[in-house]
Amino acid sequence: GQQLNQSPQSMFIQEGEDVSMNCTSSSIFNTWLWYKQDPGEGPVLLIALYKAGELTSNGRLTAQFGITRKDSFLNISASIPSDVGIYFCAGKSSGDKLTFGTGTRLAVRP
Amino acid sequence: DAGITQSPRHKVTETGTPVTLRCHQTENHRYMYWYRQDPGHGLRLIHYSYGVKDTDKGEVSDGYSVSRSKTEDFLLTLESATSSQTSVYFCAISLTGGNGYTFGSGTRLTVV
Repeated sequence: GQQLNQSPQSMFIQEGEDVSMNCTSSSIFNTWLWYKQDPGEGPVLLIALYKAGELTSNGRLTAQFGITRKDSFLNISASIPSDVGIYFCAGKSSGDKLTFGTGTRLAVRP
Repeated sequence: DAGITQSPRHKVTETGTPVTLRCHQTENHRYMYWYRQDPGHGLRLIHYSYGVKDTDKGEVSDGYSVSRSKTEDFLLTLESATSSQTSVYFCAISLTGGNGYTFGSGTRLTVV
């Protein structure tokens, strides 16, 4: 099946830092989405991207649909403590289901 | 609240016993999905449904079956639970399929 690799697997943040993560695929997607999961909860949709090259923002979050259609990027500016959690990318090629990445875990630097 | 509930939230069961997890939605969405979440694997699709009595397998369907007799309910059954099925299970719904899923809060299943 399709594989989505997220990088990094985990990272520590300090409040105020900018954060970047990415997602790469072995095949082309027509839609990219980014989700965030808080502990004990299901993932929640943050941003949806529908066109190659598209750049979309949601508050301090900005995501891009890669030109090759095989990757996507998420940036978080000026991180705050409530940004901690697991971030998942997801892609849709055709049909009616999503393929999810392995997740990037954000934690606060001790 | 997105109108999707999973039950139970937590369950411990013994190897070899049957287990049924329930997903209930009040949104009248056509598509429903079952995923499992495991460390290092992210979310993997078990089964999904695109309407009443219409279901299909996902990438990790072995050992699982599903049923959807009503729009609002999607049941996931482990016929004979094994320790490898210890996981957190998430149900998701979608109006149009493949875009903007809404997830339930999950069921943590432990098979001992």
